Amino acid sequence: AQTVTQSQPEMSVQEAETVTLSCTYDTSESDYYLFWYKQPPSRQMILVIRQEAYKQQNATENRFSVNFQKAAKSFSLKISDSQLGDAAMYFCAYRSSYTGTASKLTFGTGTRLQVTL
Amino acid sequence: DAMVIQNPRYQVTQFGKPVTLSCSQTLNHNVMYWYQQKSSQAPKLLFHYYDKDFNNEADTPDNFQSRRPNTSFCFLDIRSPGLGDAAMYLCATSRGMSGVSEKNYNEQFFGPGTRLTVL
Repeated sequence: AQTVTQSQPEMSVQEAETVTLSCTYDTSESDYYLFWYKQPPSRQMILVIRQEAYKQQNATENRFSVNFQKAAKSFSLKISDSQLGDAAMYFCAYRSSYTGTASKLTFGTGTRLQVTL
Repeated sequence: DAMVIQNPRYQVTQFGKPVTLSCSQTLNHNVMYWYQQKSSQAPKLLFHYYDKDFNNEADTPDNFQSRRPNTSFCFLDIRSPGLGDAAMYLCATSRGMSGVSEKNYNEQFFGPGTRLTVL
């Protein structure tokens, strides 16, 4: 079974600064997807960024980018130019490419990000 | 806007009193999921439906049941809630893999959740 570990329960960053959230995972599979989801307080979880394991290039979405190290099974999220609206719980998630017809996710325990003025 | 809706947002029930949580979607997705998220823990998949096919996770307690009467709606029934069932319950949807390109990651779309309190 796959596991996802987020070792930072809480992080804090000043507005306009850069912060990196860590995630490691364990799998015996060679093809899979990795995701970062954002869950703001009392609001639904939304997808921030995804990475396909077969792609060597790190994914980027505006101020969000990842550092995907497949051999090390590491998948960190970098948020540049942090904004107050980035404050949320961030979940790292894994999805096998071989889950049949469903898109089943395995989540980490989350990192709560605070953004200060 | 197309979305995933969960009702109610907050539910209080008594120990042992059956409760039903509701999820609806306007995305016309084949797959609907129910997750349990306890405080400071990762969301944990309870079960999912692919169309009308029900798929239970091996460690989901028998106390949890689900119904999907049509594509748009899915219900989570907790037959005899215990104190340990107090949690946030998340509903999510995604397209099915059938007929989709092999490398389509089929993003999951989440509802806002229902926070269940058991007294």
